[in-house]
Amino acid sequence: AQSVTQLDSQVPVFEEAPVELRCNYSSSVSVYLFWYVQYPNQGLQLLLKYLSGSTLVKGINGFEAEFNKSQTSFHLRKPSVHISDTAEYFCAVSDYGGATNKLIFGTGTLLAVQP
Amino acid sequence: EADIYQTPRYLVIGTGKKITLECSQTMGHDKMYWYQQDPGMELHLIHYSYGVNSTEKGDLSSESTVSRIRTEHFPLTLESARPSHTSQYLCASSDSGTGGSSYNEQFFGPGTRLTVL
Repeated sequence: AQSVTQLDSQVPVFEEAPVELRCNYSSSVSVYLFWYVQYPNQGLQLLLKYLSGSTLVKGINGFEAEFNKSQTSFHLRKPSVHISDTAEYFCAVSDYGGATNKLIFGTGTLLAVQP
Repeated sequence: EADIYQTPRYLVIGTGKKITLECSQTMGHDKMYWYQQDPGMELHLIHYSYGVNSTEKGDLSSESTVSRIRTEHFPLTLESARPSHTSQYLCASSDSGTGGSSYNEQFFGPGTRLTVL
């Protein structure tokens, strides 16, 4: 069975500082990996995804993530955050080639950017 | 513009009432999903559909039911709402794909926040 662990429930950071949100996954098969962002009172928006190829994936709003197969990690990074980045961030995994397209989500990390 | 819609956005209702949460998408996706999200917690899949007349229960047991009579429409119904059903419900859709960049990417609606008194 697949699972996703987001180690930090909340990450406070000052504006313009770098940030890393951690995500580890567990799976016995190859996977696709995703990061979604949820702003208050809104649905989820895809930030970036890893399907294959380069392990460094760039997404929207200046975010990037690196797939590390040996460490089963997919950490999200941004070199300089803005107040507007304050939101809940979810890491998700889906089994490669699976017919269901089902996503398994982590518990989320609240990124709280302070001025 | 292709999008996914949910109505109502907010609903406050009394115990025992029957409710239907609407979800529609104009992207032509064949797969659709319902997730339940409690405050500060992860999303749990409660229903999904591969296409018209196809529905399956998800990983989290739910007293709700769904139907898929049209490709673009995937409503969720609670026959008798209870306070334990208070939650946010998110609808999503995805293309099947045979590979490529669109595979497994789920697009989410804005959600319905349900409060049962």
